[in-house]
Amino acid sequence: ETGVTQSPTHLIKTRGQQVTLRCSSQSGHNTVSWYQQALGQGPQFIFQYYREEENGRGNFPPRFSGLQFPNYSSELNVNALELDDSALYLCASSWIAGGFQETQYFGPGTRLLVL
Amino acid sequence: SQQGEEDPQALSIQEGENATMNCSYKTSINNLQWYRQNSGRGLVHLILIRSNEREKHSGRLRVTLDTSKKSSSLLITASRAADTASYFCATVGSGGGADGLTFGKGTHLIIQP
Repeated sequence: ETGVTQSPTHLIKTRGQQVTLRCSSQSGHNTVSWYQQALGQGPQFIFQYYREEENGRGNFPPRFSGLQFPNYSSELNVNALELDDSALYLCASSWIAGGFQETQYFGPGTRLLVL
Repeated sequence: SQQGEEDPQALSIQEGENATMNCSYKTSINNLQWYRQNSGRGLVHLILIRSNEREKHSGRLRVTLDTSKKSSSLLITASRAADTASYFCATVGSGGGADGLTFGKGTHLIIQP
């Protein structure tokens, strides 16, 4: 158990809708990252929040946005859902010191299906 | 985009045998990490090796890193049925950690009882 939880575990949405996924980080960690994992692929980095501000972003459009709260929780919001957004969404928390990413602790993921 | 490739894509061996997986990457790194994933769920961190290290051990795991060849290998000795999973390498670039982890496509390992 990593101490990182995500909700919901599964979600079905229709193309064009909006979705919010939630994550509770491990206590004491100052960084949360979100990843998208398509079937049969490795996770792809969406963005990272450090002390409640986005400080890194992968190759994802602005309709992917997030928030990090002082209580170690965070959200991933996706607007105008597309069929290709169907994937497993993983959040990971970590402690960054000295500017370099070390071990990340992953939650179990939310599986999103867009119809 | 994916940083690199794991090789092989899939590996099936008998319980008790050793399993070796390889990972190649493209850019300079600060560290390289290996993760395990069971049945499309969350990833579990296995081991981290820094760019100035060449080999690291953790229980039945042995990781090597060759920065001149931009490659790493993960060896699991005396495999068990519970080792059946997908294994991913992930890199942290030398420019800093704000770009998150960059994963390969993974090796799917099956341990036959």
